[in-house]
Amino acid sequence: DIQMTQSPSSLSASVGDRVTITCRASQGISNSLAWYQQKPGKAPKLLLYAASRLESGVPSRFSGSGSGTDYTLTISSLQPEDFATYYCQQYYSTPPTFGQGTKVEIK
Amino acid sequence: EVQLVESGGVVVQPGGSLRLSCAASGFTFDDYAMHWVRQAPGKGLEWVSLISWDGGSTYYADSVKGRFTISRDNSKNSLYLQMNSLRAEDTALYYCAKDISRGVAPRYYFDYWGQGTLVTVSS
Repeated sequence: DIQMTQSPSSLSASVGDRVTITCRASQGISNSLAWYQQKPGKAPKLLLYAASRLESGVPSRFSGSGSGTDYTLTISSLQPEDFATYYCQQYYSTPPTFGQGTKVEIK
Repeated sequence: EVQLVESGGVVVQPGGSLRLSCAASGFTFDDYAMHWVRQAPGKGLEWVSLISWDGGSTYYADSVKGRFTISRDNSKNSLYLQMNSLRAEDTALYYCAKDISRGVAPRYYFDYWGQGTLVTVSS
């Protein structure tokens, strides 16, 4: 199975900050990477797929980049509604696997 | 509007069995592969199982293989997960999730999720 490692596990940031979350795969995944946002008590929500493609309806302050084994999710200007846990997920090979999550908290 | 509504989660003893259901609406159910994904309390996400659009192909995580069975009834727009020989480590919120890809080749990522149904395995 491909292991996905996110960093950091948590971070504190202020509204308006630029936030970057990193996801590293244990082997190359050819941009077959999705990012999800999960708020407490809610289901995950798809933000991006194919490493950098924004899902319909997702604000443009979210962006993704990367290649090979290393990928990033960037929030250009953190908004109050962005405080949540973020997960990366590879779908390059079966089984699909998730990172352990990054909790974004209010500073 | 796409809706996925899970049901069937309860407290069950180790070694017991349970059947989860997911009622789908707002899309052409039999065009899409469907998945179960679980989340243990306070933990991350774990993919559990996939079923193809027609039910002809199924795949499982190693952690549940041989114990869980995924199925679907396209005439009822419903997805199921039969869970046998349950263990404490199966305790989790179980989500049904829609594959993003329409047709015969699932992509194994998910554009819609239900709200989940909680399975607790405890004596």
